[in-house]
Amino acid sequence: ETGVTQTPRHLVMGMTNKKSLKCEQHLGHNAMYWYKQSAKKPLELMFVYSLEERVENNSVPSRFSPECPNSSHLFLHLHTLQPEDSALYLCASSQAGTSGSSTDTQYFGPGTRLTVL
Amino acid sequence: AQSVAQPEDQVNVAEGNPLTVKCTYSVSGNPYLFWYVQYPNRGLQFLLKYITGDNLVKGSYGFEAEFNKSQTSFHLKKPSALVSDSALYFCAVRAFNAGNNRKLIWGLGTSLAVNP
Repeated sequence: ETGVTQTPRHLVMGMTNKKSLKCEQHLGHNAMYWYKQSAKKPLELMFVYSLEERVENNSVPSRFSPECPNSSHLFLHLHTLQPEDSALYLCASSQAGTSGSSTDTQYFGPGTRLTVL
Repeated sequence: AQSVAQPEDQVNVAEGNPLTVKCTYSVSGNPYLFWYVQYPNRGLQFLLKYITGDNLVKGSYGFEAEFNKSQTSFHLKKPSALVSDSALYFCAVRAFNAGNNRKLIWGLGTSLAVNP
């Protein structure tokens, strides 16, 4: 897990707060992902960045705002969240081939456990 | 529609016995199949993947998985379970298609409990 790090590991916030989740990958990968993991639900892919460009946004509410300043760092900015947004937020990275290979393996960070009060 | 099914919410096995965690899939085209494990309060760890070639794939921690195209299955196996294997296991599939698609379709997970 040291390949992909996430901070903070735990976060409690009120609905009116603004906070950010940080992810850093030390694997030299060129793609990064945000996932939401809730109990009894499949992993939900939120955003994908490839070469620092957002290539996928799966109908995520605008209260979640991603930022990818370079290929090693990924942020998820949070504002005016709802209690149903409480979940484990996972970051992942992968190394895609130049043709956008579908075989690239994703490596995950430990996650941020978010609780919205 | 593409989908992954893990038919068992929980699997219980005695330490030292063989274990199997089941996964079936439905995709159009050739599937790329993955297994991940998640320990409590941790992220997902990659175990193994099938892309092409030998149907039996070997991975980390002594795990292996067998790709069966006719049954559209990719069951995870281990000959002798350890208590430390107790965790949540996820199967995922990606269908090959043109373009820059990196989206994995995930199963709901199977909780494995290995009893001493």
